[in-house]
Amino acid sequence: QKEVEQNSGPLSVPEGAIASLNCTYSDRVSQSFFWYRQYSGKSPELIMSIYSNGDKEDGRFTAQLNKASQYVSLLIRDSQPSDSATYLCAVRSNYQLIWGAGTKLIIKP
Amino acid sequence: GAVVSQHPSRVICKSGTSVKIECRSLDFQATTMFWYRQFPKQSLMLMATSNEGSKATYEQGVEKDKFLINHASLTLSTLTVTSAHPEDSSFYICSARDFSSETQYFGPGTRLLVL
Repeated sequence: QKEVEQNSGPLSVPEGAIASLNCTYSDRVSQSFFWYRQYSGKSPELIMSIYSNGDKEDGRFTAQLNKASQYVSLLIRDSQPSDSATYLCAVRSNYQLIWGAGTKLIIKP
Repeated sequence: GAVVSQHPSRVICKSGTSVKIECRSLDFQATTMFWYRQFPKQSLMLMATSNEGSKATYEQGVEKDKFLINHASLTLSTLTVTSAHPEDSSFYICSARDFSSETQYFGPGTRLLVL
């Protein structure tokens, strides 16, 4: 069974620091990887997508992909209290997104 | 980013009634839409995958006769919860896959409360 694993947290990070969120996946042939953010009571919103090994930066967010090790991570620089949310990792496998359970991130002022 | 709308955003109904939820992709065509359910403090649970013009594919444990899905056009999918019961109360979220980018975008969700 194809799986996506995330540490459920909560991960507590002081304001201004770098938050590092990790995700591992089991399907070696997966090609598309996504990070979504979900605030409490809201639906998920797409933050980043990444398809190639290496880093992809978008503002304060950097996604990192290592297909050989089957992990994808999300770094949030200069963390803000508004970044406090649950971050969901999703991996495309056979036209379907396989979801991680999410990591709850808390940014402490 | 692409926009997906969902209607209604919140609905309260009596036990035994049916509720229809609409999901629309506003600025792109979605050959595939997905319906999720999320209970408080739990992760997303995929209920079914809806392909335009064909029958939906339901996940194991989801009753297809209770959760009717129709995907009649490239921009609209509907989920009808038939004979709703209090245990069906949940946050229902649709998402639509943009064919060109292969990215899924979520609607804002529908909060259903069955009394």
